[in-house]
Amino acid sequence: GQNIDQPTEMTATEGAIVQINCTYQTSGFNGLFWYQQHAGEAPTFLSYNVLDGLEEKGRFSSFLSRSKGYSYLLLKELQMKDSASYLCAVVPGGSYIPTFGRGTSLIVHP
Amino acid sequence: EAGVVQSPRYKIIEKKQPVAFWCNPISGHNTLYWYLQNLGQGPELLIRYENEEAVDDSQLPKDRFSAERLKGVDSTLKIQPAELGDSAVYLCASSLGLAGRTDTQYFGPGTRLTVL
Repeated sequence: GQNIDQPTEMTATEGAIVQINCTYQTSGFNGLFWYQQHAGEAPTFLSYNVLDGLEEKGRFSSFLSRSKGYSYLLLKELQMKDSASYLCAVVPGGSYIPTFGRGTSLIVHP
Repeated sequence: EAGVVQSPRYKIIEKKQPVAFWCNPISGHNTLYWYLQNLGQGPELLIRYENEEAVDDSQLPKDRFSAERLKGVDSTLKIQPAELGDSAVYLCASSLGLAGRTDTQYFGPGTRLTVL
């Protein structure tokens, strides 16, 4: 089975930088997704990492270390609209379907 | 391009009643997923379709849940009879369905079910 761990809740200040960590234990590995989900809305795709390293996309970056079973999502220049839940989802070996973590609720305050 | 469409957005029913949810995936997406999401949790897969074939329904409680995707496009998820513990958000997602590859899922807004 899969074990995905991410903090339940984080708070940060508008304009700051926040890093949301995700650790996982899987049988094999076929990639890791990050999704953003505002309250009452659909999860929306942010990033996909399958190789080690940092992927940058505007204010959001995602990092992966397969040997450590570790990823993080980095959000820069935080805005109030970034307040949402951030879901880490891991695709185990032998599958192409992600398993989702419980999500990290990020609260951005002025 | 239209996203994944789901209806209804909200549904309130009494326990033991039947309920059905409808999903229209993104045009051209062969794979369709139904997820259940409880408050404060991540989505949990209920069933996955490749075109009209259910290829992964191991997490679907088959005594009360059923699903269909007759023409390989729209899908319906049904619960009969509903129980109090079924209160949750039911999410539909679709993806291109690339053979032998992980592809990105696109989610609908979900149906929030409340069972009284």
